[in-house]
Amino acid sequence: NAGVMQNPRHLVRRRGQEARLRCSPMKGHSHVYWYRQLPEEGLKFMVYLQKENIIDESGMPKERFSAEFPKEGPSILRIQQVVRGDSAAYFCASSPLAGGAYEQYFGPGTRLTVT
Amino acid sequence: KNEVEQSPQNLTAQEGEFITINCSYSVGISALHWLQQHPGGGIVSLFMLSSGKKKHGRLIATINIQEKHSSLHITASHPRDSAVYICAVIDNYGQNFVFGPGTRLSVLP
Repeated sequence: NAGVMQNPRHLVRRRGQEARLRCSPMKGHSHVYWYRQLPEEGLKFMVYLQKENIIDESGMPKERFSAEFPKEGPSILRIQQVVRGDSAAYFCASSPLAGGAYEQYFGPGTRLTVT
Repeated sequence: KNEVEQSPQNLTAQEGEFITINCSYSVGISALHWLQQHPGGGIVSLFMLSSGKKKHGRLIATINIQEKHSSLHITASHPRDSAVYICAVIDNYGQNFVFGPGTRLSVLP
């Protein structure tokens, strides 16, 4: 049973370009969470999705950021017109059920560098 | 909004020492998780607690719901335990984590 997969592992974008980060949850998991870790800072929640639904996007910047988790395929975190401040590690996690009483399994992260 | 604090911020220990990392939070929670982030950046979930105590190998996690406090203990520490340990909580209203700032542990041989 493969773990949570994220790709790419490293992504370099120039200012103004788009970044697309992919997350494939563990088999059987229908809940996906995205987190951001800025350099030398702690993890911050961004968005929580179930298949075809955004449940909580309270941690996601209102502009330039969007997320989806389609019926088929991976969850995508999309950042339009990237700026240097978007450089960070982006982690996704999945769980089989909702709520804090269930373990979340983390992917290896995507390290985004904006030049 | 829950505020999560951890102490100490940084900790250096000699191999074999007993280590304690503390976490406190400000509002009621449905669960508390301890995570380990390796130097390479990967994150592993160590424990999920809603009450009492859990043990896994050399790791022990406890939680006191009334005092809003949890501790992570490492017995017979080893250099491979060197990592950042992160406390994360989910309160009774939300479904997403609020993370502590992490404790950076270095275990010297």
